[in-house]
Amino acid sequence: QKEVEQNSGPLSVPEGAIASLNCTYSDRGSQSFFWYRQYSGKSPELIMFIYSNGDKEDGRFTAQLNKASQYVSLLIRDSQPSDSATYLCAVKDSTNTDKLIFGTGTRLQVFP
Amino acid sequence: EPEVTQTPSHQVTQMGQEVILRCVPISNHLYFYWYRQILGQKVEFLVSFYNNEISEKSEIFDDQFSVERPDGSNFTLKIRSTKLEDSAMYFCASSGTSSSYNSPLHFGNGTRLTVT
Repeated sequence: QKEVEQNSGPLSVPEGAIASLNCTYSDRGSQSFFWYRQYSGKSPELIMFIYSNGDKEDGRFTAQLNKASQYVSLLIRDSQPSDSATYLCAVKDSTNTDKLIFGTGTRLQVFP
Repeated sequence: EPEVTQTPSHQVTQMGQEVILRCVPISNHLYFYWYRQILGQKVEFLVSFYNNEISEKSEIFDDQFSVERPDGSNFTLKIRSTKLEDSAMYFCASSGTSSSYNSPLHFGNGTRLTVT
């Protein structure tokens, strides 16, 4: 059973701080990794995707990937109360490339 | 920005009834998906669809489920005889203008299905 693991949180950070969200995955052959944001009762919204080892930055967001450690993370700089949501890590199944495997998500709370 | 649209936003049905959930994927996308999320649980893959046929399906997607692309724009999920445990949020997604492998999925707003 291929798994994606995330700490469910909540992760509480003050406004303006850096939020660090982590994810590990079991499928060593996975090549594509995604971060989605999900507000309560809403659909997943794509934040970032990363395919290569290292860092990828997009505005206040940085995704980090380490395939050797099977670890992917998301950093949110200058966190805002509007960033408060559940962040879902998703990994493409290496044998069924149509399938995304989701983690349970980490709930982030940014307080003013 | 183009988006995936789903209707209805909320569907209430009685156990044993058939329901059809509708989706309009992003117009130049080639790959279509249904996922579901039971309240408080993970988002789970149901089925993927490419070139007018199912390309992959999960164990959840049993004979009670079917998908169809009846015309050039709509993509539907039918549940033939709903069960209480089918109550969930159902998300349609689409991706890719070429290879699906690295194309991010874009999700619709979901249909909340409540089976009573």
